[in-house]
Amino acid sequence: DIQMTQSPSTLSASVGDRVTITCRASQSINSWLAWYQQKPGKAPKVLIYKASSLESGVPSRFSGSGSGTEFTLTISSLQPEDFATYYCQQYHSYPYTFGRGTKLEIK
Amino acid sequence: EVQLLESGGGLVQPGGSLRLSCAASGFTFSSSAMSWVRQAPGKGLEWVSAISGSGTSTYHADSVKGRFTISRDNSKNTLYLQMNSLRAEDSAVYYCAKSPGGAVAGLFDPWGQGTLLTVSS
Repeated sequence: DIQMTQSPSTLSASVGDRVTITCRASQSINSWLAWYQQKPGKAPKVLIYKASSLESGVPSRFSGSGSGTEFTLTISSLQPEDFATYYCQQYHSYPYTFGRGTKLEIK
Repeated sequence: EVQLLESGGGLVQPGGSLRLSCAASGFTFSSSAMSWVRQAPGKGLEWVSAISGSGTSTYHADSVKGRFTISRDNSKNTLYLQMNSLRAEDSAVYYCAKSPGGAVAGLFDPWGQGTLLTVSS
């Protein structure tokens, strides 16, 4: 199975900050990586797919990069509605696996 | 608008069985691979099972293989998850999710609102 290592597990930041979350795959997944945002009590929502493609309707302050085994999600200027938990997920091969999540908290 | 509505969750005793359903609308159901993804209380996301649009190919996580069966009825636009030999560690919110392609699941977009399964005596 492909292991997804996501860091940090918790991130404290302020409105307007630029933040980066990292995800590492235990083997190459090319660009078959997605990023999801989840708010309490809600289903996850896709932000980025194929490592760097922005989902329709997602603000342009979100961006993704990377390929192979190293990936990043960057939020260029945090907004109040961005405080949530973020997950990476590989869909290169079964079983599809997720990172353990990054909880983005208000500092 | 794509809509996915899960149902069938509840309280079940260890060793029991339950079937979850996911009613889909707003898209050509038979053209989309579908998955179940679960989330234990306060924990992360775990992919459980996937099925191709035609229903001919199915995949399960090792943690549920031999106990859970994913299926679909394309005439009813409904996805199912039959869960047998339930364990406490199966307790979670179960989400159904649509994938863009028909043959292979992978990207989960969108997700339903989830249905809660609690396995406890």
